[in-house]
Amino acid sequence: AQSVTQLDSQVPVFEEAPVELRCNYSSSVSVYLFWYVQYPNQGLQLLLKYLSGSTLVESINGFEAEFNKSQTSFHLRKPSVHISDTAEYFCAVKRRGGSEKLVFGKGTKLTVNP
Amino acid sequence: SQTIHQWPATLVQPVGSPLSLECTVEGTSNPNLYWYRQAAGRGLQLLFYSVGIGQISSEVPQNLSASRPQDRQFILSSKKLLLSDSGFYLCAWSVLWSAGGYEQFFGPGTRLTVL
Repeated sequence: AQSVTQLDSQVPVFEEAPVELRCNYSSSVSVYLFWYVQYPNQGLQLLLKYLSGSTLVESINGFEAEFNKSQTSFHLRKPSVHISDTAEYFCAVKRRGGSEKLVFGKGTKLTVNP
Repeated sequence: SQTIHQWPATLVQPVGSPLSLECTVEGTSNPNLYWYRQAAGRGLQLLFYSVGIGQISSEVPQNLSASRPQDRQFILSSKKLLLSDSGFYLCAWSVLWSAGGYEQFFGPGTRLTVL
């Protein structure tokens, strides 16, 4: 079975500072990896995903994540955050093949302060 | 394009009352469908998933049930709500691309408060 650990439940940062949200996963088989973002009282939106190929994936709003197989990590980074990035971020994993269910981490609440 | 709808958006119900939340998906056929619940500080909990009409798998024991009467309709129900049923309920659907790849899409959610 797969599992996901998001080490930080809350991350406060100042506007224009860099941020890293950590995600580690556990799986005995190959996986797909995802980051979702949830703004207050809304559903989850896919931010970026790793399926195969380049281990560095980017979103349209400046976030990036790097798949590190040896460290079983998929940390999310942004070099300069905005107030509008304030949201909850969820890391998720799906095994290649088998069930289509996602396994989610418990989420990291990012608060960007002026 | 595909869209997913949930209603109602918000709901306040007394303890012991019944519940029916509806989710519909447009623009795709035979999707896998999911019900999740978010309780404060507890992350995202998968409640039910369905791979086809009438096929429901329950992930956790509880007083909720799910049904899929049509291909793109997924309903979450309860005969008697508990205080602990309060939370944010999310419906989702997923697709496994034949060329490789996968994605899961979420609805806007229903905020349920049980008093």
